[in-house]
Amino acid sequence: GDSVTQMEGPVTLSEEAFLTINCTYTATGYPSLFWYVQYPGEGLQLLLKATKADDKGSNKGFEATYRKETTSFHLEKGSVQVSDSAVYFCALSLGAGNKLTFGGGTRVLVKP
Amino acid sequence: DTGVSQDPRHKITKRGQNVTFRCDPISEHNRLYWYRQTLGQGPEFLTYFQNEAQLEKSRLLSDRFSAERPKGSFSTLEIQRTEQGDSAMYLCASSSPGQLGKGNTIYFGEGSWLTVV
Repeated sequence: GDSVTQMEGPVTLSEEAFLTINCTYTATGYPSLFWYVQYPGEGLQLLLKATKADDKGSNKGFEATYRKETTSFHLEKGSVQVSDSAVYFCALSLGAGNKLTFGGGTRVLVKP
Repeated sequence: DTGVSQDPRHKITKRGQNVTFRCDPISEHNRLYWYRQTLGQGPEFLTYFQNEAQLEKSRLLSDRFSAERPKGSFSTLEIQRTEQGDSAMYLCASSSPGQLGKGNTIYFGEGSWLTVV
């Protein structure tokens, strides 16, 4: 079945450091890909998405490029802030229902 | 746009009791989803509705779980004879239909935490 694998955390960084969270997927078709973020005590929020190969999603300084050849959708940010501390989830959707299949999440902690 | 609303936010119940969660989706959204999330894990799909029709159910949704969306607006998720393994956060989400299979954005509520003691 469809699945998403992302790097395990926690990832601990200093403010202004470069962040990369790896995400790879397995799917029977051509999925849409998403990054969701969950801040402490809050629900999931869509961070960015890409719906076809070579698309780049971007939001709030975060970027991810849909790489069909490597079945990857790695999340990057050039300079993190303390407020970026959260759990990040990579996900795919496929099929008429558009239901999401999530990875296990990566906790990111940014220290001042 | 008031977002997806879930109630209650927290529920503690004794093993064997029944619990019900309610979800109010974003008003113009005709798709509604239920997910379950345990600590340290990603959300797992349980079921989804298009309008009032329940179109898909996960194998995770045992016979003790039932979901309804009687008028195509709000939805309820009931768990009968709760077990300690049911302790989790139950997330509701909604989306407009958009173009099928094209990754229409799904918006999540803040979740309902269930603790079974």
